[in-house]
Amino acid sequence: DTEVTQTPKHLVMGMTNKKSLKCEQHMGHRAMYWYKQKAKKPPELMFVYSYEKLSINESVPSRFSPECPNSSLLNLHLHALQPEDSALYLCASSLTGTSGGMEETQYFGPGTRLLVL
Amino acid sequence: AQSVAQPEDQVNVAEGNPLTVKCTYSVSGNPYLFWYVQYPNRGLQFLLKYITGDNLVKGSYGFEAEFNKSQTSFHLKKPSALVSDSALYFCAVRDGNTNAGKSTFGDGTTLTVKP
Repeated sequence: DTEVTQTPKHLVMGMTNKKSLKCEQHMGHRAMYWYKQKAKKPPELMFVYSYEKLSINESVPSRFSPECPNSSLLNLHLHALQPEDSALYLCASSLTGTSGGMEETQYFGPGTRLLVL
Repeated sequence: AQSVAQPEDQVNVAEGNPLTVKCTYSVSGNPYLFWYVQYPNRGLQFLLKYITGDNLVKGSYGFEAEFNKSQTSFHLKKPSALVSDSALYFCAVRDGNTNAGKSTFGDGTTLTVKP
């Protein structure tokens, strides 16, 4: 099973709302990633978790809060977002995400399309 | 620092013709190179990667790519294009001297295959 699942598929929220995006994989991967992607643009890395610990935060605003409850799950908590945060949010996973895993393939989920009004 | 360039925003080919999507890279250490494809409203799908060894890498759906160290290129190729190959293609690189978690993606190339 090489599937990464993401829920919800679509999300519309106001600037004062609190919502969460969820990502799940059952490939035994120990690294999970959040990316933000604007239309026709490349994915931009936001966060990396390796062995349930946050290893990379690409200076993402605090209105985005990641959480990795266990090795299979990754959440992204959203609060007080801005309209410019509207994008496709992609989750990915790879085997370890450590410095010895340069060759690791990242497997992407289908994404959550977020619209902030 | 690592970087990758896809010099063509758009590539148009006729079905049955060969296709090439170009990618060049810059790294300070050894390059780890990847190609992904993205269909509309979908996530990225892995096509192939170069880590070491044979410069010609074969991947999914009949795609292949050739690693050229002297030209710092990793062009994606397919001998005979299909209409269903129409999609957005991303090249990505990781630098052997930096953190394994960080891939740098090119800006993407939209491939259109016409019947």
